[in-house]
Amino acid sequence: ETGVTQTPRHLVMGMTNKKSLKCEQHLGHNAMYWYKQSAKKPLELMFVYSLEERVENNSVPSRFSPECPNSSHLFLHLHTLQPEDSALYLCASSQDSPGRSEAFFGQGTRLTVV
Amino acid sequence: SQQGEEDPQALSIQEGENATMNCSYKTSINNLQWYRQNSGRGLVHLILIRSNEREKHSGRLRVTLDTSKKSSSLLITASRAADTASYFCATDALALSMKTSYDKVIFGPGTSLSVIP
Repeated sequence: ETGVTQTPRHLVMGMTNKKSLKCEQHLGHNAMYWYKQSAKKPLELMFVYSLEERVENNSVPSRFSPECPNSSHLFLHLHTLQPEDSALYLCASSQDSPGRSEAFFGQGTRLTVV
Repeated sequence: SQQGEEDPQALSIQEGENATMNCSYKTSINNLQWYRQNSGRGLVHLILIRSNEREKHSGRLRVTLDTSKKSSSLLITASRAADTASYFCATDALALSMKTSYDKVIFGPGTSLSVIP
């Protein structure tokens, strides 16, 4: 148990569906992140929130939309996804920036787009 | 762009043996971290080593850092079957966005370690 909880653990969705991934941390951390982990590829940073403010990541398609309503919660809203978006989506948090301090990861949501 | 790269990609050893994984990176860093991931699950932080440190220990783990060679190694001594996992190095990088600059980490592709009982 890392203190970062992700739901759901598994999700299967059609390309026309809309779904949301949820992440919650009770560690009092200031920063939260979404990562994407595809098979045979390194972890890719998708979004960074620092003190509830989003730092843009321009390389992420608009079909992924993050939301950080408060410092403990982070969402990733999904719509009109493609099969290549199937991956493990990981949420993480850290007290300081991830380069300077330990990041705590959730167990991930295994997403399959059909 | 990929910063850290682990070597080997896969490693299989017998229980009780030592496992050594290497990480090479391209640009200057402030910190380097090692993480572990059990199959299909989240990453767990192992060790953070700063650029002014050369060696760090944590239990059966030993991490070295050679900034002149831009490389790090992770040694797991007296391995156990439970050490079977993927191991990633992560280096810090300064990123710029429309709003601000921020530190991020860049993960390597990982080394898959199998410890055979």
